[in-house]
Amino acid sequence: DIQLTQSPSFLSASVGDRVTITCRASQGISSYLAWYQQKPGKAPKLLIYAASTLQSGVPSRFSGSGSGTEFTLTISSLQPEDFATYYCQQLNSYPITFGQGTRLEIK
Amino acid sequence: EVQLVESGGGLVQPGGSLRLSCAASGFTFNSYAMSWVRQAPGKGLEWVSTISGTGGSTYYADSVKGRFTISRDNSKNTLYLQMNSLRAEDTAVYYCAKYNIGGGRYFDFWGQGTLVTVSS
Repeated sequence: DIQLTQSPSFLSASVGDRVTITCRASQGISSYLAWYQQKPGKAPKLLIYAASTLQSGVPSRFSGSGSGTEFTLTISSLQPEDFATYYCQQLNSYPITFGQGTRLEIK
Repeated sequence: EVQLVESGGGLVQPGGSLRLSCAASGFTFNSYAMSWVRQAPGKGLEWVSTISGTGGSTYYADSVKGRFTISRDNSKNTLYLQMNSLRAEDTAVYYCAKYNIGGGRYFDFWGQGTLVTVSS
Protein backbone atom coordinates (compact mmCIF):
# COMPACT_ATOMS: atom_id res chain seq x y z
CA ASP A 1 0.00 0.00 0.00
CA ILE A 2 1.13 3.55 -0.69
CA GLN A 3 1.46 5.64 2.45
CA LEU A 4 1.04 9.40 2.38
CA THR A 5 2.67 11.50 5.08
CA GLN A 6 1.57 15.08 5.48
CA SER A 7 3.59 17.72 7.27
CA PRO A 8 2.94 19.50 9.41
CA SER A 9 0.00 17.78 11.11
CA PHE A 10 -0.94 21.06 12.77
CA LEU A 11 -0.33 24.60 11.59
CA SER A 12 -1.13 27.86 13.30
CA ALA A 13 -1.14 30.91 11.03
CA SER A 14 -2.61 34.38 10.62
CA VAL A 15 -4.87 35.91 8.01
CA GLY A 16 -2.71 37.06 5.12
CA ASP A 17 0.05 34.50 5.73
CA ARG A 18 1.44 32.25 3.03
CA VAL A 19 1.36 28.60 4.07
CA THR A 20 2.63 25.41 2.54
CA ILE A 21 1.61 21.84 3.34
CA THR A 22 3.74 18.93 2.15
CA CYS A 23 2.57 15.44 1.23
CA ARG A 24 5.14 12.68 0.71
CA ALA A 25 4.29 9.34 -0.87
CA SER A 26 6.05 6.10 0.08
CA GLN A 27 6.50 5.33 -3.61
CA GLY A 28 6.02 7.16 -6.88
CA ILE A 29 2.45 8.09 -7.79
CA SER A 30 3.07 10.10 -10.95
CA SER A 31 0.72 13.09 -10.65
CA TYR A 32 -2.29 11.20 -9.30
CA LEU A 33 -2.53 13.37 -6.24
CA ALA A 34 -5.52 15.39 -5.06
CA TRP A 35 -6.00 17.86 -2.23
CA TYR A 36 -9.21 18.35 -0.23
CA GLN A 37 -10.39 20.86 2.34
CA GLN A 38 -12.73 19.79 5.12
CA LYS A 39 -14.52 21.96 7.64
CA PRO A 40 -16.08 20.55 10.82
CA GLY A 41 -19.28 18.63 10.17
CA LYS A 42 -18.97 18.99 6.41
CA ALA A 43 -17.95 16.75 3.53
CA PRO A 44 -14.49 17.19 2.00
CA LYS A 45 -14.22 19.63 -0.88
CA LEU A 46 -11.89 19.08 -3.83
CA LEU A 47 -9.32 21.84 -4.24
CA ILE A 48 -6.59 20.48 -6.53
CA TYR A 49 -6.30 17.40 -8.74
CA ALA A 50 -3.56 15.96 -10.91
CA ALA A 51 -1.17 17.52 -8.39
CA SER A 52 -1.49 21.04 -9.77
CA THR A 53 -4.86 21.57 -11.50
CA LEU A 54 -7.19 23.93 -9.68
CA GLN A 55 -10.74 22.63 -9.43
CA SER A 56 -13.35 24.92 -10.97
CA GLY A 57 -14.59 27.54 -8.52
CA VAL A 58 -11.64 27.24 -6.13
CA PRO A 59 -9.89 30.56 -5.44
CA SER A 60 -6.59 31.12 -7.19
CA ARG A 61 -4.78 31.64 -3.88
CA PHE A 62 -4.68 27.83 -3.70
CA SER A 63 -2.01 26.10 -5.76
CA GLY A 64 -0.43 22.67 -5.93
CA SER A 65 2.84 21.33 -7.24
CA GLY A 66 4.97 18.22 -7.35
CA SER A 67 5.17 14.82 -8.96
CA GLY A 68 6.52 11.42 -8.10
CA THR A 69 6.76 11.31 -4.31
CA GLU A 70 6.73 14.89 -3.07
CA PHE A 71 3.85 17.32 -3.37
CA THR A 72 2.88 20.66 -1.89
CA LEU A 73 -0.29 22.65 -1.36
CA THR A 74 0.24 26.38 -1.00
CA ILE A 75 -2.22 29.03 0.10
CA SER A 76 -0.76 32.35 -0.96
CA SER A 77 -2.67 34.64 1.41
CA LEU A 78 -4.80 33.02 4.09
CA GLN A 79 -8.40 34.12 4.35
CA PRO A 80 -10.65 33.52 7.38
CA GLU A 81 -12.61 30.85 5.50
CA ASP A 82 -9.42 28.83 4.83
CA PHE A 83 -9.04 27.65 8.40
CA ALA A 84 -9.90 23.96 8.07
CA THR A 85 -8.29 20.53 7.78
CA TYR A 86 -6.52 19.61 4.54
CA TYR A 87 -5.97 16.11 3.17
CA CYS A 88 -3.92 14.77 0.30
CA GLN A 89 -5.05 11.64 -1.55
CA GLN A 90 -3.28 9.31 -3.96
CA LEU A 91 -5.23 7.67 -6.76
CA ASN A 92 -2.32 6.04 -8.57
CA SER A 93 -3.23 2.56 -7.39
CA TYR A 94 -5.56 0.67 -5.12
CA PRO A 95 -5.98 0.89 -2.24
CA ILE A 96 -6.59 4.61 -2.60
CA THR A 97 -5.06 6.32 0.43
CA PHE A 98 -5.27 9.65 2.21
CA GLY A 99 -2.72 11.54 4.22
CA GLN A 100 -3.43 11.90 7.93
CA GLY A 101 -4.53 15.51 7.53
CA THR A 102 -3.18 18.95 8.37
CA ARG A 103 -5.24 21.06 10.72
CA LEU A 104 -4.86 24.77 9.95
CA GLU A 105 -5.85 27.04 12.80
CA ILE A 106 -5.94 30.77 13.38
CA LYS A 107 -3.01 32.15 15.34
CA GLU B 1 -26.23 20.47 -10.39
CA VAL B 2 -24.61 17.31 -9.08
CA GLN B 3 -26.24 15.94 -5.96
CA LEU B 4 -25.33 12.89 -3.89
CA VAL B 5 -27.63 12.02 -1.00
CA GLU B 6 -26.71 9.19 1.36
CA SER B 7 -29.18 7.34 3.55
CA GLY B 8 -29.43 4.17 5.60
CA GLY B 9 -27.13 4.96 8.49
CA GLY B 10 -28.05 4.33 12.09
CA LEU B 11 -27.30 2.37 15.23
CA VAL B 12 -26.53 -1.34 14.81
CA GLN B 13 -25.21 -3.99 17.17
CA PRO B 14 -21.81 -5.62 16.64
CA GLY B 15 -22.16 -8.45 14.16
CA GLY B 16 -25.17 -6.83 12.55
CA SER B 17 -25.79 -5.58 9.02
CA LEU B 18 -26.75 -2.33 7.37
CA ARG B 19 -27.19 -1.17 3.79
CA LEU B 20 -26.29 2.35 2.82
CA SER B 21 -27.68 4.04 -0.28
CA CYS B 22 -26.49 7.05 -2.25
CA ALA B 23 -28.95 8.66 -4.65
CA ALA B 24 -27.23 10.51 -7.46
CA SER B 25 -28.50 13.23 -9.78
CA GLY B 26 -27.20 15.94 -12.08
CA PHE B 27 -24.78 13.79 -14.10
CA THR B 28 -24.75 10.68 -16.27
CA PHE B 29 -24.49 8.18 -13.45
CA ASN B 30 -23.43 5.13 -15.44
CA SER B 31 -20.49 7.01 -16.95
CA TYR B 32 -18.68 7.40 -13.65
CA ALA B 33 -17.08 5.19 -11.06
CA MET B 34 -18.33 5.79 -7.55
CA SER B 35 -16.69 5.38 -4.17
CA TRP B 36 -17.38 5.18 -0.46
CA VAL B 37 -15.12 6.96 2.02
CA ARG B 38 -15.56 6.90 5.79
CA GLN B 39 -14.43 9.03 8.68
CA ALA B 40 -14.41 7.75 12.24
CA PRO B 41 -15.25 10.34 14.92
CA GLY B 42 -12.36 12.79 15.25
CA LYS B 43 -10.23 10.88 12.74
CA GLY B 44 -9.09 11.26 9.16
CA LEU B 45 -10.53 10.05 5.88
CA GLU B 46 -10.39 6.37 4.94
CA TRP B 47 -11.22 5.05 1.49
CA VAL B 48 -13.58 2.07 1.70
CA SER B 49 -14.54 0.91 -1.78
CA THR B 50 -14.89 1.86 -5.46
CA ILE B 51 -17.07 0.49 -8.24
CA SER B 52 -16.73 1.11 -11.97
CA GLY B 53 -19.45 2.78 -14.02
CA THR B 54 -20.79 -0.52 -15.33
CA GLY B 55 -20.47 -2.23 -11.96
CA GLY B 56 -18.15 -4.81 -13.47
CA SER B 57 -15.12 -3.90 -11.36
CA THR B 58 -15.01 -3.42 -7.62
CA TYR B 59 -12.22 -2.59 -5.18
CA TYR B 60 -12.09 -2.73 -1.39
CA ALA B 61 -9.93 -1.67 1.50
CA ASP B 62 -8.46 -4.63 3.35
CA SER B 63 -10.29 -3.49 6.50
CA VAL B 64 -13.69 -4.24 4.91
CA LYS B 65 -12.90 -6.93 2.33
CA GLY B 66 -15.16 -9.94 2.73
CA ARG B 67 -17.62 -8.03 4.93
CA PHE B 68 -18.76 -5.10 2.76
CA THR B 69 -20.15 -5.23 -0.78
CA ILE B 70 -20.41 -2.24 -3.08
CA SER B 71 -22.99 -2.28 -5.86
CA ARG B 72 -24.96 0.08 -8.06
CA ASP B 73 -28.28 0.19 -9.88
CA ASN B 74 -27.75 2.40 -12.91
CA SER B 75 -31.47 2.32 -13.72
CA LYS B 76 -32.12 4.01 -10.39
CA ASN B 77 -28.98 6.19 -10.29
CA THR B 78 -28.19 4.70 -6.90
CA LEU B 79 -25.04 3.42 -5.24
CA TYR B 80 -25.12 0.94 -2.38
CA LEU B 81 -22.87 -0.37 0.36
CA GLN B 82 -23.97 -3.57 2.05
CA MET B 83 -22.18 -3.85 5.37
CA ASN B 84 -22.17 -7.19 7.20
CA SER B 85 -20.43 -8.46 10.34
CA LEU B 86 -20.14 -4.91 11.59
CA ARG B 87 -17.57 -4.07 14.23
CA ALA B 88 -17.17 -1.17 16.63
CA GLU B 89 -14.31 0.11 14.48
CA ASP B 90 -16.71 0.52 11.54
CA THR B 91 -18.37 3.39 13.41
CA ALA B 92 -17.97 6.41 11.15
CA VAL B 93 -19.62 8.91 8.87
CA TYR B 94 -19.85 7.27 5.45
CA TYR B 95 -19.60 9.48 2.37
CA CYS B 96 -20.30 8.55 -1.21
CA ALA B 97 -18.23 10.32 -3.83
CA LYS B 98 -18.23 10.64 -7.59
CA TYR B 99 -14.93 9.42 -9.01
CA ASN B 100 -13.79 11.38 -12.04
CA ILE B 101 -11.09 9.65 -14.06
CA GLY B 102 -11.00 12.10 -16.98
CA GLY B 103 -7.97 14.42 -17.10
CA GLY B 104 -6.70 13.07 -13.82
CA ARG B 105 -8.25 11.04 -11.05
CA TYR B 106 -10.17 12.63 -8.21
CA PHE B 107 -13.36 12.63 -6.17
CA ASP B 108 -15.05 15.77 -7.42
CA PHE B 109 -18.39 15.60 -5.63
CA TRP B 110 -19.27 14.22 -2.21
CA GLY B 111 -22.51 13.58 -0.39
CA GLN B 112 -23.25 15.02 3.04
CA GLY B 113 -22.54 11.71 4.76
CA THR B 114 -24.54 9.25 6.86
CA LEU B 115 -23.52 8.18 10.35
CA VAL B 116 -23.13 4.51 11.19
CA THR B 117 -22.75 3.64 14.85
CA VAL B 118 -21.87 0.08 15.83
CA SER B 119 -22.52 -0.45 19.50
CA SER B 120 -24.37 -2.73 21.88
